[in-house]
Order: sequence, then C-alpha cells, then structure tokens
Amino acid sequence: EVQLVQSGAEVKKPGESLKISCKGSGYSFSTYWIVWVRQMPGKGLEWMGIIYPADSDTRYAPSFQGQVTISADKSINTAYLQWSSLKASDTAIYYCAREVAAAAQDWGQGTLVTVSS
Amino acid sequence: DIQMTQSPSSLSPFVGDRVTITCRASQSINTYLNWYQQKPGKAPQLLIYGASSIQSGVPSRFSGSGSGTDFTLTISSLQPEDLATYYCQQTYSSPRTFGQGTKVEI
Repeated sequence: EVQLVQSGAEVKKPGESLKISCKGSGYSFSTYWIVWVRQMPGKGLEWMGIIYPADSDTRYAPSFQGQVTISADKSINTAYLQWSSLKASDTAIYYCAREVAAAAQDWGQGTLVTVSS
Repeated sequence: DIQMTQSPSSLSPFVGDRVTITCRASQSINTYLNWYQQKPGKAPQLLIYGASSIQSGVPSRFSGSGSGTDFTLTISSLQPEDLATYYCQQTYSSPRTFGQGTKVEI
C-alpha cells in the first residue's frame, strides 16, 4: 500500500526556521515526482513546487520561488519543505502528494503550520 | 502561468440531481486536466485524470470530459457523501495550477 506520512503540526514564531517532512512507503520513492501544495485557512489549493527524488530536479511556482526550499533524501524515502524565516502569512496546511501520470494520486495527511507571535 | 477558472463557485443541489462543474483554461492544455475532491478536514483525493479517466475506486457516477480549454466534471446522481469542494488542475505546464474550487453544499 502506498503511503505518504507527513510530520506533525508545528507552532512557530515569525522569523523562525522550519523543515517539515513527507515519508513515502510502498513504492519506489526515487522514481515518482513529489509535489507540495499549500492550503491557507478557508482557501483553495495552491501548487508550490515539485521534486524528482532520483536526481533532486526541482521546480517552483513563481510565487514560492525564493520563499521556500524543497528537497529530498532518497536514501530514507523522504521529501522536505523548509523555510528560513517564517511569516504569519505562512500559516496554512501543507500537503505532499505523489504524482502518477501527471496527477497527484496519493496524498499525505497534511501538516498544519501556525506562525504567530 | 496558465489560469484555471471554475464555475460555479458554489452550488446547492438536491440528492439525486445531475451536477455539472466547468473548468476553463487560459490557453490550450490538451487533456492535461485533473479533478480532485476535498471533503471538510481531509486531504484532497484524485477523481479524474487526463480529463476523462476515472481513478481506481472512484464511483462511476463521476465522469469528466473536455479537451483544449474547456472541461466538465459531472456527477450523474448526487449522493450525500459528495458534499465537498471540487478542484480542477492543469498539468500541461509548470506551475501546475489549480482552479479556485467549487463547493457543493447539500
């Protein structure tokens, strides 16, 4: 069974750094793209970026380029999303998903990130 | 970026109704169009990929059609468990943008 298990909820202060994770199992982790999606409170889905773990080829949406870093460690089947300096506007649920045939077929449970002073 | 526009933004059909949601792309995306269902408090789930292929395990009352710039998601007979927000997404080019969502309230 394919599973994507994300790290737990985080509460941070503005200016702090954060790295959340997404661990894949039940499939060949290296050979499928992993996508990150943001959902701000009460809002829709926003595509942030995507990574191919086999060679760490990464693409970002323009609005997220330079704001976050997407990475992966194929040796432990884990993808990451990180911030160097959080803002209150980063408060959201972040989902990872596995892409199959250009569709986000399998989703993690989501990680709630709350940024508040 | 390719813009995806869904309509309507919300609808309140009756159980058993035929429901149609449309999605329009700002440029041609061939059939690189997916539909997702998100129930309250849950992660999204893939319903339809490649504009018209139904994902394994999805009830047959869901169907998708279209190509180029205009696409449709149809629920043939709405069930209570279909209460959700539905999103289209293009995967023709990066960034792989989503529509703004259509909330189905029963």
